[in-house]
Amino acid sequence: EAEVAQSPRYKITEKSQAVAFWCDPISGHATLYWYRQILGQGPELLVQFQDESVVDDSQLPKDRFSAERLKGVDSTLKIQPAELGDSAMYLCASSLAEGYEQYFGPGTRLTVT
Amino acid sequence: AQKITQTQPGMFVQEKEAVTLDCTYDTSDQSYGLFWYKQPSSGEMIFLIYQGSYDEQNATEGRYSLNFQKARKSANLVISASQLGDSAMYFCAMRESINSGGSNYKLTFGKGTLLTVNP
Repeated sequence: EAEVAQSPRYKITEKSQAVAFWCDPISGHATLYWYRQILGQGPELLVQFQDESVVDDSQLPKDRFSAERLKGVDSTLKIQPAELGDSAMYLCASSLAEGYEQYFGPGTRLTVT
Repeated sequence: AQKITQTQPGMFVQEKEAVTLDCTYDTSDQSYGLFWYKQPSSGEMIFLIYQGSYDEQNATEGRYSLNFQKARKSANLVISASQLGDSAMYFCAMRESINSGGSNYKLTFGKGTLLTVNP
């Protein structure tokens, strides 16, 4: 069964350091999403790609976060510099097209010390 | 204002019983969609069921059914014959358009309900 892959699964970093997360969506899925989930809350959309284009990044803190999906397949989310408040689960999801059900990867749990 | 409201932070149910998880939503769109996801302690979000705003029949998927009451703007999840493996966080989410043309969509999640199934 096709799955969304994410790495790393866990990341511990010191504040002010750079950190990067990688996501490989289900093959053939045009839409890719990055979410941040703080403990005890629902996921919050950070950025949404349709193929290689950004559809929505209104909630992405652009002073420190960046995301790319250069060839319209896999994607990287970067934080530089990391802050203590960035500690959260970062979830990647993909869907066949916008509006369709999203399938999530296992997530990357980030701890900033 | 919250777009998705899940008023039950936690719910308990006995194994083999049915349970209803509440979800109300707020939107001015005529076309929208409602989703339920399950998140076990491992962290992965698992898609359970979908209901479109124009669907006249309530969605069903195995032991999951969605009690859709459009006029009341509610989309409650019903799990029948609960199993121990159903213990998890459950999130209601709404898909709505993010532009006036209606060609781009985003998903907004509620805060979730933690379901515990007791043996």
